[in-house]
Amino acid sequence: RKEVEQDPGPFNVPEGATVAFNCTYSNSASQSFFWYRQDCRKEPKLLMSVYSSGNEDGRFTAQLNRASQYISLLIRDSKLSDSATYLCVVNEGYLNTGTASKLTFGTGTRLQVTL
Amino acid sequence: GAGVSQSPRYKVAKRGQDVALRCDPISGHVSLFWYQQALGQGPEFLTYFQNEAQLDKSGLPSDRFFAERPEGSVSTLKIQRTQQEDSAVYLCASSLAQGWETQYFGPGTRLLVL
Repeated sequence: RKEVEQDPGPFNVPEGATVAFNCTYSNSASQSFFWYRQDCRKEPKLLMSVYSSGNEDGRFTAQLNRASQYISLLIRDSKLSDSATYLCVVNEGYLNTGTASKLTFGTGTRLQVTL
Repeated sequence: GAGVSQSPRYKVAKRGQDVALRCDPISGHVSLFWYQQALGQGPEFLTYFQNEAQLDKSGLPSDRFFAERPEGSVSTLKIQRTQQEDSAVYLCASSLAQGWETQYFGPGTRLLVL
């Protein structure tokens, strides 16, 4: 079982639609959580961090449920420019030092927004 | 300011050839990470440096892979005797310190082994 699991999609939605992506992670000791965006043949870029209280950035809302080990991303009023792969990312931290560690990525969910 | 840079951007190697991939992190960033991204997959961790110290190399797939960061700045990932399964994008990321700051990624080196 992969440490971070996502539906690979693709999700094809019309402009203006609301779309939701889900992700589960296996390590209950994971410390921090993110959504990264990756455009075709480009590097991943941080979209937003995810907090237990939920957080919003414009049209984007992220939620974390630690009990269910579940992360979500909601995109409202989709734009053509939102077309990309969305990567669910977890940072487990090093238990012995309490410092940040490697990022563990899901496979990514591909979104295609159409006219 | 300048972001993370990587060179070369593209590399074609014949099977059995050695390759060296370079990463220039953001100036002053203490932590440096290497990831490997196969086609259609998310990036997977290879190794982590804090300054010049390689603190974690658990993701290196074999002893043909070697990474160094001798002066705590530029890093080189070397792959000896390349195999076709080494074909992937190699991403470098850096972060400011050893805490939970954002990791910034470079554009990657796309390696194709024939």
